[in-house]
Amino acid sequence: KAGVTQTPRYLIKTRGQQVTLSCSPISGHRSVSWYQQTPGQGLQFLFEYFSETQRNKGNFPGRFSGRQFSNSRSEMNVSTLELGDSALYLCASSREGGFAETQYFGPGTRLLVL
Amino acid sequence: GENVEQHPSTLSVQEGDSAVIKCTYSDSASNYFPWYKQELGKGPQLIIDIRSNVGEKKDQRIAVTLNKTAKHFSLHITETQPEDSAVYFCAACASGYALNFGKGTSLLVTP
Repeated sequence: KAGVTQTPRYLIKTRGQQVTLSCSPISGHRSVSWYQQTPGQGLQFLFEYFSETQRNKGNFPGRFSGRQFSNSRSEMNVSTLELGDSALYLCASSREGGFAETQYFGPGTRLLVL
Repeated sequence: GENVEQHPSTLSVQEGDSAVIKCTYSDSASNYFPWYKQELGKGPQLIIDIRSNVGEKKDQRIAVTLNKTAKHFSLHITETQPEDSAVYFCAACASGYALNFGKGTSLLVTP
C-alpha cells in the first residue's frame, strides 16, 4: 500500500508570497493532519481535517489555512509568507482520526522563504 | 496545554550497547504515547507506541515503558546497530487529536 505522499518536496518563495502544499493520504485514510517542523520549535500541530471539515486546530495565525477534498487529499496554504515560515511541513494520515489512532507521516515539503 | 520534555538531546553509543531516551509530560489526561524515528530527508516513522492501560510494550529490540503516576515514559533500544542512528521523537496525546512532540534526541551509533 502506498504511503503518504506530499508535493512538492522542495519550495523556495520570497516574503509576501503565498504557497500551497499538497498531501495525499494512505488509501482508505480519511483524516489528514499537518505539522510544522523547525529546529527551534520542533514539531508543532497545525490542523486536522476529516471528511472535508477542519476538526482540530493548533495555535497558528490565520495565514495558515487548509482544506480537504472529497477524495481525502488535502492542501495547506500559507499567505503573506514570512521568513519564520521556513520549515519542513509534514502531513500525516490516519484511518478515522480517532483518539490515540496511529498517524503515518509523509516525507514533508521543505519550504524556504527568502 | 500539554508540554513534553525529552532527554537527552544527543546520545552517542557504541554498536551493541543499549540506548535509553526519556520523556516527561504535563497533562495527566494524556493517554497515548507514540515514538517516532526520523532519518535525514524523511518524515517521522512510527516505531512503537503505548497506551495508558499498559505499563510496558516490547517489539524485538525496542521497548517502551510508561509510568503514569510520575508522568514519564521511556524508549529502550537494545543491541544498537548503526542503522538505528536517527532522530527520535516522543509524543503525547492528551485530548482531541493533536500529537504534542518532544524536541527530539539525535542518536548516533558508532561501529
